[in-house]
Amino acid sequence: RKEVEQDPGPFNVPEGATVAFNCTYSNSASQSFFWYRQDCRKEPKLLMSVYSSGNEDGRFTAQLNRASQYISLLIRDSKLSDSATYLCAVNPMGLMDSSYKLIFGSGTRLLVRP
Amino acid sequence: DGGITQSPKYLFRKEGQNVTLSCEQNLNHDAMYWYRQDPGQGLRLIYYSQIVNDFQKGDIAEGYSVSREKKESFPLTVTSAQKNPTAFYLCASRNEQESTDTQYFGPGTRLTVL
Repeated sequence: RKEVEQDPGPFNVPEGATVAFNCTYSNSASQSFFWYRQDCRKEPKLLMSVYSSGNEDGRFTAQLNRASQYISLLIRDSKLSDSATYLCAVNPMGLMDSSYKLIFGSGTRLLVRP
Repeated sequence: DGGITQSPKYLFRKEGQNVTLSCEQNLNHDAMYWYRQDPGQGLRLIYYSQIVNDFQKGDIAEGYSVSREKKESFPLTVTSAQKNPTAFYLCASRNEQESTDTQYFGPGTRLTVL
């Protein structure tokens, strides 16, 4: 089993739709979680960190489910400009490792159509 | 502007040649990372450095070498021993002083072996 897994998609949705992605992780000691957005042939850009209490930034909501070991990203009112690949990243060692290495999922591709 | 720069953007190499990819940051970040991304896959950690004159192997260090002589610079050399070097190479940095996992990426170098 991979340390961090994502459904590769693509998720093909119409503008205005709500779409949700999940990302599962295998190490229950993981402490930090992130969602990155990556446009085609570009570098990943931090979209949001995921906190235990969940967090929201405009149309984007991230949540953490420790019991089931997954994080989710919900995008409401999808825009054409949301089309991208969404990568999740997890620090599997948490406070036990000062290197703060991140393990990345392979990404979920989102296509928003007019 | 503060940020991370990588050069060149595109690099072509003949088999058997070593090439060096540049990564520079003026964010005053202590920690720097090198990742490799293959099509449809997530990022895999090659090397990382938390402080000048020190670096550690990541998950796929074979065939690569790095140096960290200055805080601002973390060049990656892809040696002829790397069997499948064609990939997108991403450099990232993190602010060690904030004890945060968040990593910020440079624009990447796309290496093609001819």
